[in-house]
Amino acid sequence: QTVVTQEPSFSVSPGGTVTLTCGLSFASVSTNYYPSWYQQTPGQAPRTLIYSTNRRSSGVPDRFSGSILGNKAALTITGAQAHDESHYYCMLYMHSGSWVFGGGTKLTVL
Amino acid sequence: QVQLQESGPGLVKTSETLSLTCSVSGESISSSSYYWGWVRQPPGKGLEWIGTIYYSGNTYFNPSLKSRVTFSVDPSKNQLSLKLTSVTAADTAVYHCARHGSIMDLYYFRFWGQGTLVTVSS
Repeated sequence: QTVVTQEPSFSVSPGGTVTLTCGLSFASVSTNYYPSWYQQTPGQAPRTLIYSTNRRSSGVPDRFSGSILGNKAALTITGAQAHDESHYYCMLYMHSGSWVFGGGTKLTVL
Repeated sequence: QVQLQESGPGLVKTSETLSLTCSVSGESISSSSYYWGWVRQPPGKGLEWIGTIYYSGNTYFNPSLKSRVTFSVDPSKNQLSLKLTSVTAADTAVYHCARHGSIMDLYYFRFWGQGTLVTVSS
C-alpha cells in the first residue's frame, strides 16, 4: 500500500517561514509524481494552492511556493499570517492511474 | 467559474448502497478537456481519493474501494454520480466531487464541491 507521508503538525510564528514536506514510503518524490498541495480549514472544501510541483493555482498569493527538496515535495509559506492556520494536504499521482493524498499537516500560526 | 454541488441521502444503513450526485455548472461534463473525481474525508481525518472519470467513460479507482465503487455521467443533466455498495461505518465521511485541471495539466484537482456528509448507521 502506497503511503504518502507528511508532518502531522507544524507551527510557525506570524511573519515567519515554514516548509512542509511530502514524502513517499518507498521512493523519492520527483516532478514525475506531479505533486499538488491543498489548504483546508474545518468545514470548508479544500482550496487548491500548488500543482505540478511548483505552479500556483489562480488567485494564490506568491507567499506560497512549491518545490522538490531532496527526496520530497515541499510547500513553503513565507510571511505566515494568522489565516494561514489550516490543514495542508499534498497529493501525488502514482502513474497507475491513481492518486494518493498524504495524511495532512496541521499548521499552527502563533 | 466552475461550480460543483453534491447531493444525496445524509444517512445510509449498513450494508446498503450509498448514492450521490454531483451537479456541475459553468462547464460541460462532456467536455473532452477535463476529468472529474470524487474525494472523501471521514470526520476528523484526512482526504482520500475515491476515483476519477472521463466523459468517455474511462474510470480510475482507488484500489481499496474499486470492488465497491461505480461512477456514471449524465450529460443531459450535467451530473456525475457515485455509488458505493456494502457500506459500513468506515464509509462515513464528507464526500466531495471535484474537477481535475485541464487535459494538459490533469494531475490535480482544480475545483471542488463543498461536500456532503454521509453517515452510515444501522
